[in-house]
Amino acid sequence: AQSVAQPEDQVNVAEGNPLTVKCTYSVSGNPYLFWYVQYPNRGLQFLLKYITGDNLVKGSYGFEAEFNKSQTSFHLKKPSALVSDSALYFCAVRDMEYGNKLVFGAGTILRVKS
Amino acid sequence: SAVISQKPSRDICQRGTSLTIQCQVDSQVTMMFWYRQQPGQSLTLIATANQGSEATYESGFVIDKFPISRPNLTFSTLTVSNMSPEDSSIYLCSVEVLNSGNTIYFGEGSWLTVV
Repeated sequence: AQSVAQPEDQVNVAEGNPLTVKCTYSVSGNPYLFWYVQYPNRGLQFLLKYITGDNLVKGSYGFEAEFNKSQTSFHLKKPSALVSDSALYFCAVRDMEYGNKLVFGAGTILRVKS
Repeated sequence: SAVISQKPSRDICQRGTSLTIQCQVDSQVTMMFWYRQQPGQSLTLIATANQGSEATYESGFVIDKFPISRPNLTFSTLTVSNMSPEDSSIYLCSVEVLNSGNTIYFGEGSWLTVV
């Protein structure tokens, strides 16, 4: 079965500093990996995805993610954090072998302090 | 992307009652899913909504409790039946849109509180 793990419940970073939110995956076959963000009292917003191609993918709001096949990781990054980036971040893998559904990690709360 | 409209956005429901959530999409949809997000938790798939046929339910979810309809490509409903406080959750409609490159988009969710 496909799965993702987000090892950190919460990440704290100062505004202006770089941020990383970690995700590791376990899949059979080629991974279809996604990052979503959930702001308070909102639904999920798509940030970026890796399907194939360059290992560094760029997404919305200045976020990027690095796909690392040898480490089975797909960490979310941003060079300079904003207070407005504070939210709940989910890593997900799309199970293309069974139902094409998204399987989510537990989520990581990002807190950016000014 | 797509505009995904869910109704109601929020509701407070009495235990033992049922509530139907609607999801309308403004684009051509290839796949449609219903997820649940319990308080402080991640998202769990309830079922895949199939156009014109019975939904495909995940383990732990049954049609009697969560009946789903999808009469056409862009519209679906999820009913939460005989609600209990444990059903208090966010229910999210999600879709894959034609030519979206395997991306799944989410609606704003329906926030249900059962009292």
